[in-house]
Amino acid sequence: QVQLVESGGGLVKPGGSLRLSCAASGFTFSDYYMSWIRQAPGKGLEWVSYISGSSTYTNYADSVKGRFTISRDNAKKSLYLQMNSLRAEDTAVYYCARMGVGAPSSWFDPWGQGTLVTVSS
Amino acid sequence: QSVLTQPPSASATPGQRVTISCSGGSSNIGSNNIYWYQQLPGTAPKVLIYRNNQRPSGVPDRFSGSKSGTSASLAISGLRSEDEADYYCATWDDSLRGPVFGGGTQLTVL
Repeated sequence: QVQLVESGGGLVKPGGSLRLSCAASGFTFSDYYMSWIRQAPGKGLEWVSYISGSSTYTNYADSVKGRFTISRDNAKKSLYLQMNSLRAEDTAVYYCARMGVGAPSSWFDPWGQGTLVTVSS
Repeated sequence: QSVLTQPPSASATPGQRVTISCSGGSSNIGSNNIYWYQQLPGTAPKVLIYRNNQRPSGVPDRFSGSKSGTSASLAISGLRSEDEADYYCATWDDSLRGPVFGGGTQLTVL
């Protein structure tokens, strides 16, 4: 079945870096836009970034632009999020989610189980 | 501050009908499809309604969605205890060129 599994979360100091990974299975990964969405503790959902199937198109929320980089390896069916210059406000559960084919949208299905990133000294 | 506005909480008793609203503007709800997500405690969100009023297979027909102008709503009829969850609306924003979420509504089944 269609499945997404995130990894790479953990505790990092302010100003530090972390790379998240998302392993996909059960569908033709290269066909789909993919996205990262985060949820701060006790807060709502915030879209972070998306990438097209061929990596041609990417976009970022203003809150992470210039600090985070999304990428993918279609041969490995994997999605990545490189997070640099981390701040306390980046503390959240980070979810990867599949978007649509051919164009980005707000239809996210399915979602991974999430990986927790904690930024603290 | 979320681009889309939802009530922070809602409550009803089992068997009742509850409606959750989601309001936005012309650059988001007014010109794009709306999606609803259900997040049960301690789990990842899952899509409940897509393209304004469509239910994925497996979602009971007690859940329904509608959209009018720059607002949308999710209705849950025959409320059950297992419906207690957080509900989020989402859509595309043409000005931001990205997806936007509502702040979420915590539904309590009394």
